[in-house]
Amino acid sequence: SQQGEEDPQALSIQEGENATMNCSYKTSINNLQWYRQNSGRGLVHLILIRSNEREKHSGRLRVTLDTSKKSSSLLITASRAADTASYFCATAGSGGYQKVTFGTGTKLQVIP
Amino acid sequence: ETGVTQTPRHLVMGMTNKKSLKCEQHLGHNAMYWYKQSAKKPLELMFVYNFKEQTENNSVPSRFSPECPNSSHLFLHLHTLQPEDSALYLCASSQVNRVATDTQYFGPGTRLTVL
Repeated sequence: SQQGEEDPQALSIQEGENATMNCSYKTSINNLQWYRQNSGRGLVHLILIRSNEREKHSGRLRVTLDTSKKSSSLLITASRAADTASYFCATAGSGGYQKVTFGTGTKLQVIP
Repeated sequence: ETGVTQTPRHLVMGMTNKKSLKCEQHLGHNAMYWYKQSAKKPLELMFVYNFKEQTENNSVPSRFSPECPNSSHLFLHLHTLQPEDSALYLCASSQVNRVATDTQYFGPGTRLTVL
């Protein structure tokens, strides 16, 4: 299985601090995606990084990918209370396979 | 959440009822998905439709029956469910090419409670 596993499972920080979440997976991938989910709602896509990319930025988000270690990290800088949510990584395999496999998620709480 | 809509948003049903969940995508994508999200479990892929054809059935019990009449609509027909089927059911769509799937766009989900 190429299921991603996020670490830590839960994270609590003060507003203004940075939050870092990690994701590990098992098999080769075509791309890795990060999603966010507010409680009881649908997932919202944050950022996609392809297997030939090492780092990507989007606003306060920074994603890194290390294919040799089969791991990725999501950094949220200058966190806000509104960033409180669950964050999931998802891996898409290579070879024309359309299945995306989600990890178990990191629950982030940002305290005002 | 815009672009993929799901109805109803909440559903309470008895074990003998028959109901259907509906999903519609307005993004012109060629693939649609049903996921089940239970508390403290990873998101579980249930079904995948690519160009209206089912390409994945992830060992889902037959009491869940999907239907994809066209590339914009996806249904999940429910009958004789069990209390453990209570969960958030999420629909998603994406554009699939020969290499891999790209970003998935999710609907807001249907919160299902089976009594």
